[in-house]
Amino acid sequence: DTEVTQTPKHLVMGMTNKKSLKCEQHMGHRAMYWYKQKAKKPPELMFVYSYEKLSINESVPSRFSPECPNSSLLNLHLHALQPEDSALYLCASSDAGTGVGSNQPQHFGDGTRLSIL
Amino acid sequence: GNSVTQMEGPVTLSEEAFLTINCTYTATGYPSLFWYVQYPGEGLQLLLKATKADDKGSNKGFEATYRKETTSFHLEKGSVQVSDSAVYFCALRGSSGGYQKVTFGIGTKLQVIP
Repeated sequence: DTEVTQTPKHLVMGMTNKKSLKCEQHMGHRAMYWYKQKAKKPPELMFVYSYEKLSINESVPSRFSPECPNSSLLNLHLHALQPEDSALYLCASSDAGTGVGSNQPQHFGDGTRLSIL
Repeated sequence: GNSVTQMEGPVTLSEEAFLTINCTYTATGYPSLFWYVQYPGEGLQLLLKATKADDKGSNKGFEATYRKETTSFHLEKGSVQVSDSAVYFCALRGSSGGYQKVTFGIGTKLQVIP
């Protein structure tokens, strides 16, 4: 069983919809991450939060809006997505260490499989 | 910048065969090295890690040794099972100050047949 829980597991939405992906961890980790993974590819980093503050935005389009309400929760708000945004969205967490968990392994959830119609 | 090179596969083996998945890396300083496994329909699971030269990570019968002289971190298992069928990602993370992005290899798909 994964220690990082993501909901929903599957999401189908139209290009005009607004939806949110949710991620929760109770490992006491203070760094949390959103990744996007296309089929047969490795994960691509989108955002990094450290101590509930946005530390890294990898030039992600504004139709993706992250939020970290507290140290255990991470949301990804979606609006006006495009068909090419269809992918598996993975949340991960790690000890923050020094420099946003500089050499700490990341623990991943099972992801939300998103399909844009 | 940092990079990780691994075979794309698929690698197809019979049950109980010996497994090697090669991984080499390019990085400055002394990165930490990881192997992640992704089963169909799931996220990535940390399989093993090594944080300094000559460290050996091991878990569930899998092993990998951090070889700084050859910049390698090859994954091995003595006897694979059908349940080991998955995609395996080699990854590294730098240890310098400040944020260090995780660099993943392209992933190697392993198929184990009975």
